[in-house]
Amino acid sequence: SQQGEEDPQALSIQEGENATMNCSYKTSINNLQWYRQNSGRGLVHLILIRSNEREKHSGRLRVTLDTSKKSSSLLITASRAADTASYFCATDAEGTYKYIFGTGTRLKVLA
Amino acid sequence: DTGVSQNPRHKITKRGQNVTFRCDPISEHNRLYWYRQTLGQGPEFLTYFQNEAQLEKSRLLSDRFSAERPKGSFSTLEIQRTEQGDSAMYLCASSSTGGASHGVNYGYTFGSGTRLTVV
Repeated sequence: SQQGEEDPQALSIQEGENATMNCSYKTSINNLQWYRQNSGRGLVHLILIRSNEREKHSGRLRVTLDTSKKSSSLLITASRAADTASYFCATDAEGTYKYIFGTGTRLKVLA
Repeated sequence: DTGVSQNPRHKITKRGQNVTFRCDPISEHNRLYWYRQTLGQGPEFLTYFQNEAQLEKSRLLSDRFSAERPKGSFSTLEIQRTEQGDSAMYLCASSSTGGASHGVNYGYTFGSGTRLTVV
């Protein structure tokens, strides 16, 4: 079963625009992560945010976490064609040591 | 190569045959995970090991599936009597506990996956 759900399922933007993806989850968590997956490839870890953190930055990525709403967002600023990929959030429920992935957002950045 | 390595990259097999996949994690990572991913879906958890101990198995993992991690290093995932519904990408990931025996989770490093096609 999927713990998280990303929204929107698909997103198409022009190069240079910002892309925002949202993730909602169901149970209390220790951490939330975002991953990127290019078509037919493995997943690449982007950023991990702990349940006691509210915001984290890494390069052009900004992640927020609202544990009261059980939601997170991933913002990619100044998008590039190379950002075209599927993006997944993953959460580890309290007391567990595994991450459960959401259904993903397919991002297409048009040059 | 310091990444997670999975072999083979692709496997085509006839229904009813057995297949085995191998995963070599990052050497200092003590946790190893197997996931399955079908087209358009997120990865689904199958099982995980801490060192050589298999600590959790998903209900998705029928008795045709078995995973091992002898000596706490590489891992194998075997599927017996394959069915067409087993066709998927099988992903392996490893992570560290940062020296803690429990209670700490870090990010995963994934391998490139093994794509299984059952015909």
